[in-house]
Amino acid sequence: AQSVTQPDIHITVSEGASLELRCNYSYGATPYLFWYVQSPGQGLQLLLKYFSGDTLVQGIKGFEAEFKRSQSSFNLRKPSVHWSDAAEYFCAVGGPAGDYKLSFGAGTTVTVRA
Amino acid sequence: NAGVTQTPKFQVLKTGQSMTLQCAQDMNHNSMYWYRQDPGMGLRLIYYSASEGTTDKGEVPNGYNVSRLNKREFSLRLESAAPSQTSVYFCASSDPGNEQYFGPGTRLTVT
Repeated sequence: AQSVTQPDIHITVSEGASLELRCNYSYGATPYLFWYVQSPGQGLQLLLKYFSGDTLVQGIKGFEAEFKRSQSSFNLRKPSVHWSDAAEYFCAVGGPAGDYKLSFGAGTTVTVRA
Repeated sequence: NAGVTQTPKFQVLKTGQSMTLQCAQDMNHNSMYWYRQDPGMGLRLIYYSASEGTTDKGEVPNGYNVSRLNKREFSLRLESAAPSQTSVYFCASSDPGNEQYFGPGTRLTVT
């Protein structure tokens, strides 16, 4: 069975500071990994994805994530946070072994203070 | 391009009432999905349709039915609503092996 754990429910960060969101997954083969962002009252928007190849993935809005197979992790990072990055972030895992269905983590809410 | 559209945006039902949530996509995707989102639980898959003409249960299918009307449309029906079905419902679409695109959601309250 596939699953995702996001250990941090809520993170507060100062504007301009760096941000790292943790994601650990369980999957029986090479996973497809995703990070989505959800602003209040909105749907989910894809930030970045990993299917194969380079383990450091660049996404939109200045985000990047690193796939570490040995740690079953896919952590999301941003060097300098902007107030508009306040949102909820979801990590998801899927792949051909699971008919490409996605399993989502419970989400991490990011608050940005001035 | 509208992407994935959902109707209605908001709905209030009484216990035992029925309703259908509509979803349509204009990206010619083969696969479509219905999720529910509850606080602290992320998104949970209710039903999905890997291709036109097929539907399968996800993680939380009880109390729901779906219809893949054609390649564009995938509806979710609550036959007898219960307060436990109060949630935000998202429809998504994708091609197999690619990212899913999400609609704006339907906020449902069952009293």
